[in-house]
Amino acid sequence: DAGITQSPRHKVTETGTPVTLRCHQTENHRYMYWYRQDPGHGLRLIHYSYGVKDTDKGEVSDGYSVSRSKTEDFLLTLESATSSQTSVYFCAISDSGQGNQPQHFGDGTRLSIL
Amino acid sequence: AQKITQTQPGMFVQEKEAVTLDCTYDTSDPSYGLFWYKQPSSGEMIFLIYQGSYDQQNATEGRYSLNFQKARKSANLVISASQLGDSAMYFCAMREDFTGGGNKLTFGTGTQLKVEL
Repeated sequence: DAGITQSPRHKVTETGTPVTLRCHQTENHRYMYWYRQDPGHGLRLIHYSYGVKDTDKGEVSDGYSVSRSKTEDFLLTLESATSSQTSVYFCAISDSGQGNQPQHFGDGTRLSIL
Repeated sequence: AQKITQTQPGMFVQEKEAVTLDCTYDTSDPSYGLFWYKQPSSGEMIFLIYQGSYDQQNATEGRYSLNFQKARKSANLVISASQLGDSAMYFCAMREDFTGGGNKLTFGTGTQLKVEL
């Protein structure tokens, strides 16, 4: 299994509070991704990173920011959480830009915003 | 924009039978790739199989094969000899290349497969 650790695994918080999710990898992969999974939508890309300090927006980036100060860590921050951000969040990594390289996923973080 | 469509929300198959999960896609890029992932009830995402748009042969990985029909823009997953452990949600995803390299994936909504005795 790819060495990907997401923390926390579960979190319940209140509307308006800041939340940070962490993705840590031990594979030294260049590319890292954050997705959210909601019923009826599959997985949707929030932000991705193609190197330290190199990040860009995905399909559903509003309300989220990311940072990557080290190869192994990719942080996802909800500056002021809203109930619409209740979801399961997945981090993924991939090794190269080669098209056939799959993304490998962490086990997910279940986030509930009350 | 790329789009992936999985029209079967749920499927049932008997153990040891083969099953086909449908996936159609839409893209204007000549170079693309298609992935299938499995998500069991425990929640993790497991990579199953990949097909590139320029691959001459359909991809196979053990009991999984991909029925790739480029002209029809379909990339159906075939699971042979179904097992109870195959019960899971299955996602089709398409690769889009982006700035800086790496693979941005667009996912379908998934098909829930239930294998019965």
